[in-house]
Amino acid sequence: NAGVTQTPKFRVLKTGQSMTLLCAQDMNHEYMYWYRQDPGMGLRLIHYSVGEGTTAKGEVPDGYNVSRLKKQNFLLGLESAAPSQTSVYFCASRIHYEQYFGPGTRLTVT
Amino acid sequence: KNEVEQSPQNLTAQEGEFITINCSYSVGISALHWLQQHPGGGIVSLFMLSSGKKKHGRLIATINIQEKHSSLHITASHPRDSAVYICAVRNNNDMRFGAGTRLTVKP
Repeated sequence: NAGVTQTPKFRVLKTGQSMTLLCAQDMNHEYMYWYRQDPGMGLRLIHYSVGEGTTAKGEVPDGYNVSRLKKQNFLLGLESAAPSQTSVYFCASRIHYEQYFGPGTRLTVT
Repeated sequence: KNEVEQSPQNLTAQEGEFITINCSYSVGISALHWLQQHPGGGIVSLFMLSSGKKKHGRLIATINIQEKHSSLHITASHPRDSAVYICAVRNNNDMRFGAGTRLTVKP
């Protein structure tokens, strides 16, 4: 099993550009999460999904959209990137009480 | 004030020392998690606790629900234990994370 994978690993965007981050898991987990990690701060939940076709807002959802069209994939979209969205983004999936994290995507918005 | 506070922020130890990292939280929880973030950035789950104590190898995690406090202990620390240790509390699908404790173990 590949576990949780994220695409891309690195990306540089200009302000106003859009992009989609892909998270894929092959463990048949129902729950999936998108987090951002900023220096000196803990991980913060952006959006999450409790199953295919469902999404919900987390702690810091503004400026992001998500979709869960297939159970194995959870997409995070930035419609108009801003420098404040420069961060490392982690995806995770969960079964029961244990979360499995992806390797992260480092995004820089200039 | 953050909902999850960890102390210390940074910790340097000599190989073989006993390590304690503390986590206090101010919200109701269904579970508390300890995570390890490697220098390369990858995050792995170490423990999930809802009560009492758990042990895995040289790592021990405890939680006191009444005092809203958890500790992570590392016995006989080793340089490979150098990482950031993150405390997270969960209430249903909502997870809140501490800022992490950066541990450096010197040989």
